[in-house]
Parts: sequence; structure tokens; C-alpha cells
Amino acid sequence: GAVVSQHPSWVICKSGTSVKIECRSLDFQATTMFWYRQFPKQSLMLMATSNEGSKATYEQGVEKDKFLINHASLTLSTLTVTSAHPEDSSFYICSATDRLVYGYTFGSGTRLTVV
Amino acid sequence: AQKVTQAQTEISVVEKEDVTLDCVYETRDTTYYLFWYKQPPSGELVFLIRRNSFDEQNEISGRYSWNFQKSTSSFNFTITASQVVDSAVYFCALSEANFNKFYFGSGTKLNVKP
Repeated sequence: GAVVSQHPSWVICKSGTSVKIECRSLDFQATTMFWYRQFPKQSLMLMATSNEGSKATYEQGVEKDKFLINHASLTLSTLTVTSAHPEDSSFYICSATDRLVYGYTFGSGTRLTVV
Repeated sequence: AQKVTQAQTEISVVEKEDVTLDCVYETRDTTYYLFWYKQPPSGELVFLIRRNSFDEQNEISGRYSWNFQKSTSSFNFTITASQVVDSAVYFCALSEANFNKFYFGSGTKLNVKP
């Protein structure tokens, strides 16, 4: 079956620093990857959609300069939270699809805490 | 516009009770997919089922069953003889046929008490 690996599982960083989250499809080529954010007791909100080799498409209200998304290969997408602030603390989860055989496969999520 | 509604915010049951989680969706597409995911406290999303819009057959998997009714745009999920390990947040979701976008419901938190 399709597996998506997301690292790190949790990270604590200081305010003002940047943190990178990786999302890898292990056994399929992910044409498209999605990044979601989930606040406590809320649903998952789509932040952006990235297609391999092209710029990510951000949802309304998501700051492109703050949440940098790179999808440089068919198996790897990264989300960099730049100049993190406490309000960026959240649960971030990625998903990937090859749009053919595999539907959506979700990573295990990253819990980010900014202190 | 696509939309998924889970009207039940939180449900509490006692172990061994049956419980049904409701899901109502809106879409203008004729081809789409419906999903259920379980999210335990650890946070990861556990895939439970995917159903395409042309397959209205109900499905049973162990203690889990799903009732898909296009006439009422509903895709309800029933857990029979609930167990404490079933305690989690359950999300219903809808995707477009080309997997371009994925729409989550707001989730239903299920508490199963011993």
C-alpha cells in the first residue's frame, strides 16, 4: 500500500527561527501533495497544494512568504515555517496522491510548538 | 461548491452500545469520492473507507459499517458494539474525481466509556 512519511513528528522551536517539515511518498510517485493545518479541536484546513516542479497554490488567507512549500521531486515536498511565532503552533499534516492508483495518503503529522 | 457536514460535534456512549456518525455532503459533481478517517489522540489520520459515487452498496468491515445514500447525500458510519479503543475524532470527507481537492467535515468526537 501507499505510504507517506512525515518528519519530524514533533518539533519545538524558538520564536523567530524557521523550521522545515518533510513529506515523502515512499512507494509511489506523488504528482500532487497537500499541506493541512489543524488547530486543537478543529478540522483540517487545507493550506496549499503543490504539484511537482511548479509553484504551490495557496489557499486564501495563507501567507506564502511565511509557509514556504517546495515540491522539487515526485517523492518529496517540504513545508518551511519561516520566522515562527507562537501562533504558528499547530498540527501540520501532509497528504500525497498520484491521481491514478492511489487516492489520498496522509502523513502522520507534525506537532509544532513555538516558544 | 463542495461541502461536508458532520452535525454531531461530540457523542458519548457506553461500551458495547452501537453508535452512528452522520455525514451529509454537497456536490454538483457526478463523480466523486467519499471517505471516513479516524484520528486518535496521537493525531495521525487512519483511513477507514473510500467509496466512489457510483457504488451505493453498503459496506461492512468487522464492527464497522457504512450506509451510502445518494438520494439524501449521506454517508453514515455505524460502529457496532463500541469499544473504548474506538474513542477518537472521526472525519468524513469528499474529494473531486481527479483528486484535486479534498474537503473535510468538521469531525465528530466519539467518547466510548467503559
